[in-house]
Amino acid sequence: AQRVTQPEKLLSVFKGAPVELKCNYSYSGSPELFWYVQYSRQRLQLLLRHISRESIKGFTADLNKGETSFHLKKPFAQEEDSAMYYCALSGSAWGAQKLVFGQGTRLTINP
Amino acid sequence: KAGVTQTPRYLIKTRGQQVTLSCSPISGHRSVSWYQQTPGQGLQFLFEYFSETQRNKGNFPGRFSGRQFSNSRSEMNVSTLELGDSALYLCASSSAGGSTDTQYFGPGTRLTVL
Repeated sequence: AQRVTQPEKLLSVFKGAPVELKCNYSYSGSPELFWYVQYSRQRLQLLLRHISRESIKGFTADLNKGETSFHLKKPFAQEEDSAMYYCALSGSAWGAQKLVFGQGTRLTINP
Repeated sequence: KAGVTQTPRYLIKTRGQQVTLSCSPISGHRSVSWYQQTPGQGLQFLFEYFSETQRNKGNFPGRFSGRQFSNSRSEMNVSTLELGDSALYLCASSSAGGSTDTQYFGPGTRLTVL
């Protein structure tokens, strides 16, 4: 069965410190991984996806199939990064319209 | 382009009633997915429609149903409401429904069942 695990419900770091939000997945096929973010009083939106291999707002994420992980990283946190972050998985068998989400990590950046 | 819109934004119902939620996708998008968000279970996939056909379905009872119209607008219906159906219901649209397509989410409908 497909599953996404985000081990940290809450993560608090100081401004300027590095950030790493962990995500592990379980899926036997070829996965598509995404990070979605929800800022306060805004709707859920895509932050980045592994297939794009891009950096968005300074965030990067590398898919490690050996460790079945897709951790989100940023070298220097900013206060505007405070938000709820969700890791999500879609499978090649069913497409990106069905996302399996992790429970989310609430990131707080302290000044 | 206007984003995904959902109506109503808030809804209060009592147990046993039924409810219909509406979702208007981004213009040109043909795929609409629905999710239920609760504090305990998080975000869970309900179903997805593409060109008026249900393509994917999550693990929810038959009380949860949906449909899509020819203009891609979608509705979901929950019959015989239970207290546990209280949740934020999100819909998301994507353009062609491909495996790497980005989903764009609406603001959600907050359903409270008393």
